[in-house]
Amino acid sequence: DGGITQSPKYLFRKEGQNVTLSCEQNLNHDAMYWYRQDPGQGLRLIYYSQIVNDFQKGDIAEGYSVSREKKESFPLTVTSAQKNPTAFYLCASTRGGGSGNTIYFGEGSWLTVV
Amino acid sequence: AQSVAQPEDQVNVAEGNPLTVKCTYSVSGNPYLFWYVQYPNRGLQFLLKYITGDNLVKGSYGFEAEFNKSQTSFHLKKPSALVSDSALYFCAVTIGTGTYKYIFGTGTRLKVLA
Repeated sequence: DGGITQSPKYLFRKEGQNVTLSCEQNLNHDAMYWYRQDPGQGLRLIYYSQIVNDFQKGDIAEGYSVSREKKESFPLTVTSAQKNPTAFYLCASTRGGGSGNTIYFGEGSWLTVV
Repeated sequence: AQSVAQPEDQVNVAEGNPLTVKCTYSVSGNPYLFWYVQYPNRGLQFLLKYITGDNLVKGSYGFEAEFNKSQTSFHLKKPSALVSDSALYFCAVTIGTGTYKYIFGTGTRLKVLA
């Protein structure tokens, strides 16, 4: 089945540690996104990528980094510079910008600082 | 700047009664509007979208939404609520002129009471 796979579902980070969340899609979508969701809040855009080897900062990019070496993959690294990383992280993808393309989501990953 | 407002944090409705979840938007161009549902610890699932044409859009699980350009609204509706409809609902907007950004509301928690 086509879809977006995020892993791991649950991840624990120690202080000062970098962690990487995986996101893979087999929908042949050009654009991919990372959102952060905090309890009781909406979705905030961290980074997005329109095409391989290109990405742009979203509204809350500080303390995060991404890469887009393959069309199917858009991993997110939460660095030690992110002081409050505990949240639910959602990866998403669309066919492309404009034309009202539907954005589809993965099942999310929980990151907790211990 | 684009924005989406969901004025109600929570909506309670009795099973079998009609439900409405409100959404208003503000964009500088023609909007493309979406509704998503999120169950606990899951990603967002697409319900329906408005691109153009008929102002009444029908979607998954018996949901529908009405686009009202003069009131800049896109309210989600269902004629008869089910307990299983209890979830978090998000409205989102994008515009069609090459943007890759999707703006999400803060979400409305729907509670259907048996």
